[in-house]
Amino acid sequence: EPEVTQTPSHQVTQMGQEVILRCVPISNHLYFYWYRQILGQKVEFLVSFYNNEISEKSEIFDDQFSVERPDGSNFTLKIRSTKLEDSAMYFCASKSEYEQFFGPGTRLTVL
Amino acid sequence: AQKITQTQPGMFVQEKEAVTLDCTYDTSDQSYGLFWYKQPSSGEMIFLIYQGSYDEQNATEGRYSLNFQKARKSANLVISASQLGDSAMYFCAGRWEAAGNKLTFGGGTRVLVKP
Repeated sequence: EPEVTQTPSHQVTQMGQEVILRCVPISNHLYFYWYRQILGQKVEFLVSFYNNEISEKSEIFDDQFSVERPDGSNFTLKIRSTKLEDSAMYFCASKSEYEQFFGPGTRLTVL
Repeated sequence: AQKITQTQPGMFVQEKEAVTLDCTYDTSDQSYGLFWYKQPSSGEMIFLIYQGSYDEQNATEGRYSLNFQKARKSANLVISASQLGDSAMYFCAGRWEAAGNKLTFGGGTRVLVKP
């Protein structure tokens, strides 16, 4: 069964460094998303992407964040200068008609 | 603004018994979808079940069923015949047509199945 994949599973970085989180959505899906979940809290929407552009973004998704679909399969989230409060689980999701299927997540730890 | 509320932070259930997880939502939209996800301790988000606002029948997927009461704005998840592997965090989420395609999540309910 097709699934969303994410790499790496865990990323440790120093404050101020740039990180790129990678996702491979399900191949015939057209809508892609990034969410984050700070430890012990609810899942929060960051950004949605359709037709090679951002369709919606939340207040969390400030100028430090960017997304790209560099080729036909990958979907990336870049954080330009990480802060301690960026430590969280980051989920990529892709959508068929109704359901959003989530990847296994990347746990980002900012030291 | 649209909102999802899960009032049960945690609950215990005996193995083989059924458990109901509460979810209420707040919206003035007519077109929306409601979802349940399971998050085991390993962290991944597993899609369980979906209910559309225009669906006349309650959704079912194996041991999962969704008790959709539109007038009460509730979408409770029922897990029948609980298994030890059902121990996890469960999140209710909504997607509102007027608010785009993003999911809005509730705070979650932690379920622990006792042998």
